[in-house]
Amino acid sequence: GQQLNQSPQSMFIQEGEDVSMNCTSSSIFNTWLWYKQDPGEGPVLLIALYKAGELTSNGRLTAQFGITRKDSFLNISASIPSDVGIYFCAGQLSEAQKLVFGQGTRLTINP
Amino acid sequence: DGGITQSPKYLFRKEGQNVTLSCEQNLNHDAMYWYRQDPGQGLRLIYYSQIVNDFQKGDIAEGYSVSREKKESFPLTVTSAQKNPTAFYLCASSVFRGSYEQYFGPGTRLTVT
Repeated sequence: GQQLNQSPQSMFIQEGEDVSMNCTSSSIFNTWLWYKQDPGEGPVLLIALYKAGELTSNGRLTAQFGITRKDSFLNISASIPSDVGIYFCAGQLSEAQKLVFGQGTRLTINP
Repeated sequence: DGGITQSPKYLFRKEGQNVTLSCEQNLNHDAMYWYRQDPGQGLRLIYYSQIVNDFQKGDIAEGYSVSREKKESFPLTVTSAQKNPTAFYLCASSVFRGSYEQYFGPGTRLTVT
C-alpha cells in the first residue's frame, strides 16, 4: 500500500526548544492530518490541512501542506512537558476515505 | 458528551478463541474504522464502513471480521485465524461527506496467550 515517511523517528529536546518534524510521500495527497498520541490512549487530532500551501496554527503548533502535495510539516514552538508523546502524520489520497499513517515521531522532553 | 467508546480497555484471551471488541459512537458519524497498532509502529487499517450494512477490507483484514448493523456500532471480531492477534486496537469515526477527519476512541489492548 501507500507509504508515508515520517522523520525523525525520535527527538530528545530541552524544555523550551522548538520542534520540527515532517512527512513525505511519493504520492499526492488531498488532505494532511496531524495527530498526537499519549501512551495507552487513542490519537487526538491536532491539525487538518486541505489545500496545497496551507499554513494552519493551533496554539503553539503550526502545520503546513506542502506545495507539491507530497509532504507536510509540523512545528511546535517553546516545547513544554505535556508535549511529550508520539506525533503521527496521516494523508488522505482520494474519495476512498482511507487514511495512510506515518510511523510516528516520539518526542521526549528533558525539563 | 459526544465521543467514541471502546470496551474493555484491556482484554485477555487464550489462543484459539474468538474475541469481539466493542466500538460505539454517538457523534452521528457515517463512517467507522478499525486500526491495529503494534509497538513502535504506525496504524494499519483492518476494516472500514462508510454506511450501515456495508464494509470494506483494509490493508490487514485477514483473520478479522466486522459487522455494521447500526450506525452507532462497529464491533470487530478477532478470530482464531489471526496469526498474531496481540496488539492495541483503535476504533475511529468520521463524517462521510465533507470531512476526512477521523476521531479515535481510547483503544483496547488485546493480549492472547
